[in-house]
Amino acid sequence: DVKVTQSSRYLVKRTGEKVFLECVQDMDHENMFWYRQDPGLGLRLIYFSYDVKMKEKGDIPEGYSVSREKKERFSLILESASTNQTSMYLCASSLLGNTIYFGEGSWLTVV
Amino acid sequence: AQSVTQPDIHITVSEGASLELRCNYSYGATPYLFWYVQSPGQGLQLLLKYFSGDTLVQGIKGFEAEFKRSQSSFNLRKPSVHWSDAAEYFCAVGALGAGNQFYFGTGTSLTVIP
Repeated sequence: DVKVTQSSRYLVKRTGEKVFLECVQDMDHENMFWYRQDPGLGLRLIYFSYDVKMKEKGDIPEGYSVSREKKERFSLILESASTNQTSMYLCASSLLGNTIYFGEGSWLTVV
Repeated sequence: AQSVTQPDIHITVSEGASLELRCNYSYGATPYLFWYVQSPGQGLQLLLKYFSGDTLVQGIKGFEAEFKRSQSSFNLRKPSVHWSDAAEYFCAVGALGAGNQFYFGTGTSLTVIP
């Protein structure tokens, strides 16, 4: 089975802090994604990556950056966390056009 | 533009009753279609998918979905709902190509009453 692991399930950070959300997949997938999920808004794509060191902006990239130095790892970075970034963050991976697999999610609260 | 619409924000059904969750999509080419389920506080789990072939696909947990190209729909069904089916359900469309993006509906929340 595909395994997408988000190392931090619950985080509480202060406004202005730099936040790292880490994601690792074990299936050699080319594509990796970061989504944000908020009530009533569904899933919104922040960034995706289709290869090492490659990234593309999604629908809501403002305030976020990403890093993909190794194929299996995709990190989401909040350079200066703000309260409006309190949300659930979902990492996912897929093999080209095939099925997308999700991690368990990371709940981030910014106070 | 690609989009996925789930017209029902919330549905309540009695345990043992049948269920149909609606999904309509807008996509320029032949889509890959998916249904995912999300339990509270968890990630999304794949229920079933359609790539090609038989338009009626079977998934896990007794769910099935039917692809109707003429109606641009991919509705999810279950003949008899169990209390454990209470969750959020997401329909998605994906495509092979540069970027390989997926588009998700806003979800349907299912409540099951005894």
